[in-house]
Amino acid sequence: DAGVIQSPRHEVTEMGQEVTLRCKPISGHNSLFWYRQTMMRGLELLIYFNNNVPIDDSGMPEDRFSAKMPNASFSTLKIQPSEPRDSAVYFCASSSGGGRGPQHFGDGTRLSIL
Amino acid sequence: AQSVTQLDSQVPVFEEAPVELRCNYSSSVSVYLFWYVQYPNQGLQLLLKYLSGSTLVESINGFEAEFNKSQTSFHLRKPSVHISDTAEYFCAVTRSYNTDKLIFGTGTRLQVFP
Repeated sequence: DAGVIQSPRHEVTEMGQEVTLRCKPISGHNSLFWYRQTMMRGLELLIYFNNNVPIDDSGMPEDRFSAKMPNASFSTLKIQPSEPRDSAVYFCASSSGGGRGPQHFGDGTRLSIL
Repeated sequence: AQSVTQLDSQVPVFEEAPVELRCNYSSSVSVYLFWYVQYPNQGLQLLLKYLSGSTLVESINGFEAEFNKSQTSFHLRKPSVHISDTAEYFCAVTRSYNTDKLIFGTGTRLQVFP
């Protein structure tokens, strides 16, 4: 079975540009999570969806960040405009819900904002 | 609210030595507990989990963790480590009902030396 698929794997762009990160969760999973990982702040939950509905977006840093899940098989995380401090590895994870199911992580998108 | 504390940010050990990675949690409700492992340039992978039943849980690669409710701990142990166990290890907790949101610790970097 395919795991969580994230694209792109690497993104380098200049500050001020719009960045869109993409995630395809595991088929049948009804919860999806976006995380950000940096050396300074560790692993941070940005937002999570259940059945395509945002449940908790308290970790979204500011209005420059937005996330959508238009259907059960696709989600995007957008940063507009991007800033150098947004440089990090962004992970998407999915789970089958109920708390008992583990979260399955993608390999991440390494984002560098110059 | 739940919280997780991983007391050691780094644990250096020699190959074939035993190791213990410490994890303490705080919660006013019943919890599920997890250990995840992250190898370089990869996402997190589930290592083992405690949901209920036996307080000692094991992984397929020789790690084990014991849920200790009185001490609110879920320490990870391995009697003999390999070079390939070098990775970052994350302890995580979720309340055992009605949520998929995991609270992660700050991680422990296990470095195994030959």
